[in-house]
Order: sequence, then structure tokens, then C-alpha cells
Amino acid sequence: DAGVTQSPTHLIKTRGQQVTLRCSPKSGHDTVSWYQQALGQGPQFIFQYYEEEERQRGNFPDRFSGHQFPNYSSELNVNALLLGDSALYLCASSGIEWTGGYGYTFGSGTRLTVV
Amino acid sequence: GENVEQHPSTLSVQEGDSAVIKCTYSDSASNYFPWYKQELGKRPQLIIDIRSNVGEKKDQRIAVTLNKTAKHFSLHITETQPEDSAVYFCAASKRRGSSYKLIFGSGTRLLVRP
Repeated sequence: DAGVTQSPTHLIKTRGQQVTLRCSPKSGHDTVSWYQQALGQGPQFIFQYYEEEERQRGNFPDRFSGHQFPNYSSELNVNALLLGDSALYLCASSGIEWTGGYGYTFGSGTRLTVV
Repeated sequence: GENVEQHPSTLSVQEGDSAVIKCTYSDSASNYFPWYKQELGKRPQLIIDIRSNVGEKKDQRIAVTLNKTAKHFSLHITETQPEDSAVYFCAASKRRGSSYKLIFGSGTRLLVRP
């Protein structure tokens, strides 16, 4: 059973460019959340998608946008990249497990470097 | 706003000793408190979690305690081993079904000296 998969693993972009990151959730999970983790910091919540709609959003500018597809996979788009956007971007999926618990599984992340 | 404070930022212990990491949350409506371990260059991995209707939970060498009145929760690792060395994050959430966001602490770098 595949866990959460993210692509690409590493990315280098120039200031002002746009980037798209991709995430496939764990099988059986229907909710995808995106987090930004700057070096030496805890992950910061960007937004969450469920049923193809943004359900919650953290304190991030409109340059950060996303999408969820019918197969529950998701994309994170960042426009007009700034040097400060350099970080590890983590995708996490969640859902009600068959055991009745609530899984929240992180992917390995995409390391974005803006130069 | 929602906030989670975590202490200490670094912790060095001798192998076999215990380690304690403490977190305080601001939103009294929080009802779910997971702890994640993140090794260098790897994804955060859930090691234990606790819900607001429980005061303590144990899993082998790891335990978590929750004091709702004081709005703080702690991670206890006993008989530490070198492989416990990593960054540990606490988080708090107002959880309903699969829809919830985690507010993370700033992390504790744990070093277990052989």
C-alpha cells in the first residue's frame, strides 16, 4: 500500500517564477493538506483540500493556490516566487481509517530552493 | 491566534536516561495532540497521539500526558537509545473527522549520547 507520494523531490527556481508541486494521497484518504517547513522550523499549515474544494487556509498570501482532482491527488502552485519561499513543502493526507481511527500521513516533501 | 510553544529547543541526554519535551497550546478548543519524529532529510512520522478525553497514553518507551486545564502536554521517552536522536514536534488541532489542521511547535532537537 503506497503512502503519500510527492513530486518532484527537489526543485530549483528563480525569483519571480512559478512552481507546481504534486501530491498523491495514501490509498483510502480523501483529504490533502499542504505544509511549508522552513529550515529549523516546524511545519506551517498552508491549506487543505477536500472534495476538490479548499476547506481551510492558513496565513499564506494568494500567491499560494492549490487544486484537488477527482482522484484526491492535489497540486500546490506558488506564483511570483520569493527567496523566502525556499522551504520543504510537505503534503499530508488524512481520512477515516477502517479501524475507526484518523490517519494523518506525511509525504517525504519537495525541497524548493529559490535563487 | 492559535499557537503552540515547545521547550526545550535542544535536549542532550545520556543513553538510558529519560527525556521530556513540553508543549503549551493556546486554543482551548483543541482536542487532538500528536507528536512527530523527524530525522534529518526525512518526513515527519507520527510516534504517539492523544485525544482531549484522555490524560495519559503509553506505547512501550514513549508516553504522552495532557493537562487540559493548564493547556499543556508532554512527551516522555524512557531508556533513550541513540536511534531516538531526531527532531521532535508537538502539534495541536481541533479535530473533526478527517478535516483538521495541525499547529506545530518549533521542534526539539534530541541528542542521545552513547
